[in-house]
Amino acid sequence: DARVTQTPRHKVTEMGQEVTMRCQPILGHNTVFWYRQTMMQGLELLAYFRNRAPLDDSGMPKDRFSAEMPDATLATLKIQPSEPRDSAVYFCASGGEFNEKLFFGSGTQLSVL
Amino acid sequence: DAKTTQPNSMESNEEEPVHLPCNHSTISGTDYIHWYRQLPSQGPEYVIHGLTSNVNNRMASLAIAEDRKSSTLILHRATLRDAAVYYCILREYNTNAGKSTFGDGTTLTVKP
Repeated sequence: DARVTQTPRHKVTEMGQEVTMRCQPILGHNTVFWYRQTMMQGLELLAYFRNRAPLDDSGMPKDRFSAEMPDATLATLKIQPSEPRDSAVYFCASGGEFNEKLFFGSGTQLSVL
Repeated sequence: DAKTTQPNSMESNEEEPVHLPCNHSTISGTDYIHWYRQLPSQGPEYVIHGLTSNVNNRMASLAIAEDRKSSTLILHRATLRDAAVYYCILREYNTNAGKSTFGDGTTLTVKP
């Protein structure tokens, strides 16, 4: 079965370090979403792309977060510098058009010490 | 952004039907109603979706109100494996090209 692949599954880093999370969407999907999940905030939409173009990244802290899609097979989410409050599970999802289902990756569990 | 409202938690007995409600009073005409569920330590997984008509699949049924301002996910016979957080979301079409914002969801507990 086709699936969304996220790497790494777990990341432990120290405050101030750069963190890069990667996502391989399902081949043929034209929309990619990045979500962050914490106990306090639930699932927050950080950014999303359509046909590799960023449509909305208003959910991201602009000063430290950036999201890109260098090609159709890779989406990246970077945090620089990382802070303890960034500790969360980050999910990537991909999908077709608005009337099609989303497929989620297994997430990256990030811990910033 | 379109918003959905769900009860925080619900309980069910095993092998009984479960009706999970969702309100989306600000839904627009082209928003699709999607349901996802999240098992512990996993990413959300798709359950079902629809636009206006009721929908059935192997996992569940989706009943959509005539005015589309609410919907109900129906699990016909709950099992212990159905214990999860269930999210009702709207996939926005017109101005937001499929933007999908999650609410707080409903935590379903299934008792043996």
